[in-house]
Amino acid sequence: DAKTTQPPSMDCAEGRAANLPCNHSTISGNEYVYWYRQIHSQGPQYIIHGLKNNETNEMASLIITEDRKSSTLILPHATLRDTAVYYCIVRGGGSNYKLTFGKGTLLTVNP
Amino acid sequence: GAVVSQHPSWVICKSGTSVKIECRSLDFQATTMFWYRQFPKQSLMLMATSNEGSKATYEQGVEKDKFLINHASLTLSTLTVTSAHPEDSSFYICSALRDSSYNEQFFGPGTRLTVL
Repeated sequence: DAKTTQPPSMDCAEGRAANLPCNHSTISGNEYVYWYRQIHSQGPQYIIHGLKNNETNEMASLIITEDRKSSTLILPHATLRDTAVYYCIVRGGGSNYKLTFGKGTLLTVNP
Repeated sequence: GAVVSQHPSWVICKSGTSVKIECRSLDFQATTMFWYRQFPKQSLMLMATSNEGSKATYEQGVEKDKFLINHASLTLSTLTVTSAHPEDSSFYICSALRDSSYNEQFFGPGTRLTVL
């Protein structure tokens, strides 16, 4: 699976949009981009995933560049409860469903 | 979203004893489940892939005789840490891959194991 690069930490003001970047320059054509987050001492929570097109759900939006070498997770109106480690993961296609977690980005939402 | 439970949520045991952790998918079937371990301030490390009705597949460096995995039904996988030692103290997390949509993988809340 392709490796991802994320900034180790980011800050965001409550109520503002949080934009979390991820680089995955070696991604191949059948690999998906997944985002999960982990609040302290809890299991990871699925946020969103995409292949080529931008995606939006009730939690967030995922913007994938046309060349698919990078993506951005957008939390439109961050709240204090969004403080967590956010993981960007590239998952292989076919029958390999394993998720390989990197170090992620610690997002701190400040009041 | 789908719910995955783990039991117990935390356990403290003496060195040399064995501990069993259960992972259940409550409202969906999961032929494939995964077990992860997470040490403090580190990321999740995949230990093994658990497949219903067949042997688990272990990641490199994970001792299969120490971490026994049984996936006896489509909703239950168990991880047994045999002869636990203090260095096995960690946060153990399972995830389940929903059979109806292989793009969806849901995580349990984790089990905190402390070995004295």
